Amino acid sequence: GAVVSQHPSRVICKSGTSVKIECRSLDFQATTMFWYRQFPKQSLMLMATSNEGSKATYEQGVEKDKFLINHASLTLSTLTVTSAHPEDSSFYICSADGGGGPFPYFGPGTRLLVL
Amino acid sequence: TQLLEQSPQFLSIQEGENLTVYCNSSSVFSSLQWYRQEPGEGPVLLVTVVTGGEVKKLKRLTFQFGDARKDSSLHITAAQPGDTGLYLCAAGYQKVTFGIGTKLQVIP
Repeated sequence: GAVVSQHPSRVICKSGTSVKIECRSLDFQATTMFWYRQFPKQSLMLMATSNEGSKATYEQGVEKDKFLINHASLTLSTLTVTSAHPEDSSFYICSADGGGGPFPYFGPGTRLLVL
Repeated sequence: TQLLEQSPQFLSIQEGENLTVYCNSSSVFSSLQWYRQEPGEGPVLLVTVVTGGEVKKLKRLTFQFGDARKDSSLHITAAQPGDTGLYLCAAGYQKVTFGIGTKLQVIP
C-alpha cells in the first residue's frame, strides 16, 4: 500500500523558535496533501490543504502566517510552525492524496512540544 | 456543533466482551469511514461503508451504515487487548472530517 512518512517523529523546541515538519509520499505522487492537528484527548482537526505548486488553503481560524506550508514537489510538503509557543504543542499529522485509493493516506504524525 | 458525534467517548472492557460504538450525524453522507489510531501514530483506515444498510465484516469487527446514511456503528465481538485504540469515524474523500473518537481499552 501507499506509504506516507513524516519527519521528525518528535521535536522539542524553545518558545519563539520555528520548527519545520516534513511530509513525504514515499511511493506515489501526491498532488494534494493535508495537514491536521490533534490536541490531547481530541480528534484530528484539518488545518490546511496543500497543493503542489500553489498556495495552501487554510481552514477558518488557522493563521497562515504562523503555519507556513510549502508543497514544492509532488512527494514533499512541509509545515513550518513559526515563533512556536507552548499552546502550539500538539500532534501534527499529514495525509496525501494520489496513492491509488479513494481516500488519502495518513502519515505517522509528529509530536511537537514547545517549552 | 460536531458534524460527526461518536459515543461512547471512552470504553473500558474486559477481554472477551462484546461492544458497540456509534457514529451519528444529522447530515446524509455518500460514505463513512472508520479509522483506528494507536497512541503516537496516524490513523489507519479500517473500512468504508457506502450503501445505506450496508454491513461489512473485518474479522471480529462488524461495521454497519444506517439505512438513511446518517449514522454508522462498529461492533467488536470478543474484544482482545490488541483492539485497544482510538476508533474514529470520518467523512469526506479528500478533506476528511473526523468524529471525536471512541477510546477503547481492553483489559486482559
